[in-house]
Amino acid sequence: GESVGLHLPTLSVQEGDNSIINCAYSNSASDYFIWYKQESGKGPQFIIDIRSNMDKRQGQRVTVLLNKTVKHLSLQIAATQPGDSAVYFCAEVGNTGNQFYFGTGTSLTVIP
Amino acid sequence: NAGVMQNPRHLVRRRGQEARLRCSPVKGHSHVYWYRQLPEEGLKFMVYLQKENIIDESGMPKERFSAEFPKEGPSILRIQQVVRGDSAAYFCASSPPQGWTEAFFGQGTRLTVV
Repeated sequence: GESVGLHLPTLSVQEGDNSIINCAYSNSASDYFIWYKQESGKGPQFIIDIRSNMDKRQGQRVTVLLNKTVKHLSLQIAATQPGDSAVYFCAEVGNTGNQFYFGTGTSLTVIP
Repeated sequence: NAGVMQNPRHLVRRRGQEARLRCSPVKGHSHVYWYRQLPEEGLKFMVYLQKENIIDESGMPKERFSAEFPKEGPSILRIQQVVRGDSAAYFCASSPPQGWTEAFFGQGTRLTVV
């Protein structure tokens, strides 16, 4: 079945630096990807999404890059702030369009 | 995502008891999804429901688990005869008919089986 995994389980960055969180996916047929942020004790919160016909999408302080050749996603957070500390998940839409497959997540810690 | 209400937030059950988890979707959302999250893991799809219909339950364990989304009222995830391995956070998400691009998650119910 499909699987979505992350390269690094933890990431620590200095406040003000840029963060890059990576994600590999296995289903080349997936056409929609989402990054979620999950703070402790809370539900996942939508950050940004991208469709497979795009290579890059930018939001406020965040950028998602999609490399379909190697089935790789990344989330870039500019000028990381303490409030960015959380677990970040990438998710891909399954073939049926009903399921989202989530990776294990990367725990981001911002050091003041 | 504050619009998706899950209750209770925390639920403790003894082995063998039943657990009922409730999810009230965002007003106007007709699609509900349930996910389970084990500690230090990602979210695993369980079931996708529309009003009065189960659309996809491929992620549901074959026994003891059931879900419903009645015409009126919240969606219910029911776990019968709970075992310790059922301890997890259960998240509900809702979306309008046009799909995931406008989906929101609730805060989750943390089930502890003792």
